[in-house]
Amino acid sequence: LAKTTQPISMDSYEGQEVNITCSHNNIATNDYITWYQQFPSQGPRFIIQGYKTKVTNEVASLFIPADRKSSTLSLPRVSLSDTAVYYCLVGEEGSGGYNKLIFGAGTRLAVHP
Amino acid sequence: ETGVTQTPRHLVMGMTNKKSLKCEQHLGHNAMYWYKQSAKKPLELMFVYNFKEQTENNSVPSRFSPECPNSSHLFLHLHTLQPEDSALYLCASSQNPSDPSYEQYFGPGTRLTVT
Repeated sequence: LAKTTQPISMDSYEGQEVNITCSHNNIATNDYITWYQQFPSQGPRFIIQGYKTKVTNEVASLFIPADRKSSTLSLPRVSLSDTAVYYCLVGEEGSGGYNKLIFGAGTRLAVHP
Repeated sequence: ETGVTQTPRHLVMGMTNKKSLKCEQHLGHNAMYWYKQSAKKPLELMFVYNFKEQTENNSVPSRFSPECPNSSHLFLHLHTLQPEDSALYLCASSQNPSDPSYEQYFGPGTRLTVT
């Protein structure tokens, strides 16, 4: 069975860089790795995705090693508003032509003043 | 606003009631999803629909019955629920089902309490 593992929680301070790693041993060969952010009482929203190496956008960077069995979300210079739960999402080889979506358990990030 | 709406936002129902959750997406997507999010547990994918056809049912009890009349609307019919079914039920849509490379757009969720 697929197992997607992330730390349950992390603490940081404003202005620091935060790195959250997700392990995904059974990732499907052709699938991307996607990260989502969720605030209380809201649905998750897309942050960043990548297939391999490094991807950067205006809010985060994503580092993916060659074996793709893990990925690291990097949030530069966090602020209080980055306090949220962060999920990784990968696809696992499925049946019937569709891969199975596997969300991580989520990492609860608390940013302190 | 993500383009995915859910109603009602909050629902309290007894174990013998029948109720329905509604989801609507205005994004022209082909795939729609129901997720369950319980306190201190990860997101659980319940059902996936592609062009109105159910492509995934993750061993969900029959007291949850999905309906997808068209690719813009998704319902979750509830009957004889249990207190442990209390959770946040999230709807999402994407262009392509079961492919994480296609961004999923989530609705705000329905907070369900079963008494």
